Amino acid sequence: DQQVKQNSPSLSVQEGRISILNCDYTNSMFDYFLWYKKYPAEGPTFLISISSIKDKNEDGRFTVFLNKSAKHLSLHIVPSQPGDSAVYFCAAEGGSNYKLTFGKGTLLTVNP
Amino acid sequence: KAGVTQTPRYLIKTRGQQVTLSCSPISGHRSVSWYQQTPGQGLQFLFEYFSETQRNKGNFPGRFSGRQFSNSRSEMNVSTLELGDSALYLCASSLVVSSYNEQFFGPGTRLTVL
Repeated sequence: DQQVKQNSPSLSVQEGRISILNCDYTNSMFDYFLWYKKYPAEGPTFLISISSIKDKNEDGRFTVFLNKSAKHLSLHIVPSQPGDSAVYFCAAEGGSNYKLTFGKGTLLTVNP
Repeated sequence: KAGVTQTPRYLIKTRGQQVTLSCSPISGHRSVSWYQQTPGQGLQFLFEYFSETQRNKGNFPGRFSGRQFSNSRSEMNVSTLELGDSALYLCASSLVVSSYNEQFFGPGTRLTVL
């Protein structure tokens, strides 16, 4: 049972344009959401997070939007750069079980 | 400050064997979490240790076990290896338990089971 879903395995975007990565979740107990970026041969690195009491969080070129009623979050990268090419994981945590549940990841390719 | 280190980086084993992976957290970090990454299932949480005690556990069979030492270093053991255990095993450390936005990952150990 996939509680966190990233339905797009891959996304290709032109440099300078917006990248939008999507994530859906099914567990209504989740109250904290994170995005990680992973380059090949490296571990994931934390990118940005959002608590369920907010609907938007911004950090430089990265913005995460949360729609609780739709159980959907998205990561916007503006403008996209070739160095952003990586696998992006969405993760969620909440309830009494303090463990992270990850999506399967989306491979973002930013073309120069 | 040195990052999270994992040894070995690559490992090849055969079915039925057992394996031990090691993780050294960032200095001062007391929480260590383990994850399994496979193409089919993505990243899955295995367990988390803090102050030598397992604090959280994922949905993996008992063949997967771990421990943490007094210096916060952690080991993960998989017994009776199966082909499906082939994966990238990631370790992450943080100052306190369940501090996911301040969690730093190591490069992982690539385990291949033949």
